Amino acid sequence: GENVEQHPSTLSVQEGDSAVIKCTYSDSASNYFPWYKQELGKGPQLIIDIRSNVGEKKDQRIAVTLNKTAKHFSLHITETQPEDSAVYFCAASTDYGGSQGNLIFGKGTKLSVKP
Amino acid sequence: KAGVTQTPRYLIKTRGQQVTLSCSPISGHRSVSWYQQTPGQGLQFLFEYFSETQRNKGNFPGRFSGRQFSNSRSEMNVSTLELGDSALYLCASSLLSGRQETQYFGPGTRLLVL
Repeated sequence: GENVEQHPSTLSVQEGDSAVIKCTYSDSASNYFPWYKQELGKGPQLIIDIRSNVGEKKDQRIAVTLNKTAKHFSLHITETQPEDSAVYFCAASTDYGGSQGNLIFGKGTKLSVKP
Repeated sequence: KAGVTQTPRYLIKTRGQQVTLSCSPISGHRSVSWYQQTPGQGLQFLFEYFSETQRNKGNFPGRFSGRQFSNSRSEMNVSTLELGDSALYLCASSLLSGRQETQYFGPGTRLLVL
């Protein structure tokens, strides 16, 4: 089955710096890769997603890149702010015995942005 | 548009009891997926329901079950609770069922088993 690995597990940056989180996946058939942000006491919130027919997607300070050949995708946050502090999860969507999809998540990256 | 809602938000049970958690998807969404989140195992897929049918199931024992109603609301049930079932149970809804459907999560139900 699909396996998603996420690095680093913790990341500390100064406000205004950039943050990069990387994920690799094992199932070459995976074709949908969302990123979620989870704040303390809340459920994961979708921040950006990318599909396999696209190599890069950007939304203001957030961008995601996908390399299907190498089977890895990355989240880039520029001009980080203290409110970006949270746990970030990458995920890959895979088939599981049919046409349905379920998300396989990485273990998460705890991002701390220091003022 | 209201987001995914889950009730109750917090629950304390003792070993051997059973529990039922409820999820109301975003209006118009027909697919509901359930995930278990623990510090050790992270986020793990439990099952997915679409049009009142279980479409997909993760690797969890039969003590974990669910159902979906005609209005797309979903419930999950855990019988004979074990200490290891303590977790945050998350529900996610999507418009349809499929590999590239965007899933939106609720706030979760935090279950503590004593």
